[in-house]
Amino acid sequence: AQSVTQPDIHITVSEGASLELRCNYSYGATPYLFWYVQSPGQGLQLLLKYFSGDTLVQGIKGFEAEFKRSQSSFNLRKPSVHWSDAAEYFCAVGPLNAGGTSYGKLTFGQGTILTVHP
Amino acid sequence: DAGVIQSPRHEVTEMGQEVTLRCKPISGHDYLFWYRQTMMRGLELLIYFNNNVPIDDSGMPEDRFSAKMPNASFSTLKIQPSEPRDSAVYFCASTIGGGVRTYEQYFGPGTRLTVT
Repeated sequence: AQSVTQPDIHITVSEGASLELRCNYSYGATPYLFWYVQSPGQGLQLLLKYFSGDTLVQGIKGFEAEFKRSQSSFNLRKPSVHWSDAAEYFCAVGPLNAGGTSYGKLTFGQGTILTVHP
Repeated sequence: DAGVIQSPRHEVTEMGQEVTLRCKPISGHDYLFWYRQTMMRGLELLIYFNNNVPIDDSGMPEDRFSAKMPNASFSTLKIQPSEPRDSAVYFCASTIGGGVRTYEQYFGPGTRLTVT
């Protein structure tokens, strides 16, 4: 069965510092890969997605992620963090060859809580 | 545009009572998902619908849980009877389906359920 691991439960960075959140997946083949963000008291919002092609993908709010097949990783990065980036970040995977009924079935990691110090 | 609307935002009930959570998806979206978020288990997909028809309910924990989608603009998740271990945040999400687009889901703000 597919699984998603986010090794860091909680990360603290200073405003203006760079950020990298780790995500590793276990799957039979390269799945579709996603990062979602959840601000306090809010639902999840899609940050970016990887389907195929260029392994460096750009998302909203200045975030990017790099897919590395050899490491089964899809790490999220941002060069300079803003205080408003404080939130919980979820990596998720979806089956590549989902067939009729499996499209949409996302498997989420446990999440990484990001705290930003002024 | 209004996003996904969920009600109530908070629900406190006693064990054994029936609980009904409601969701209004984004207009025009043909997929609707119900998720449960807990500290222990993280974010889990419970059930999802396509064009009001349940497609996969393998994540529904047990028979006490049921979900319906009587029309394209309304869905309910019911727990009867409720138990303390059902305490969680329940999210509804919707999207315009079609292959990989089905993964690009729009989440509501969630309903925080506490069962005492």
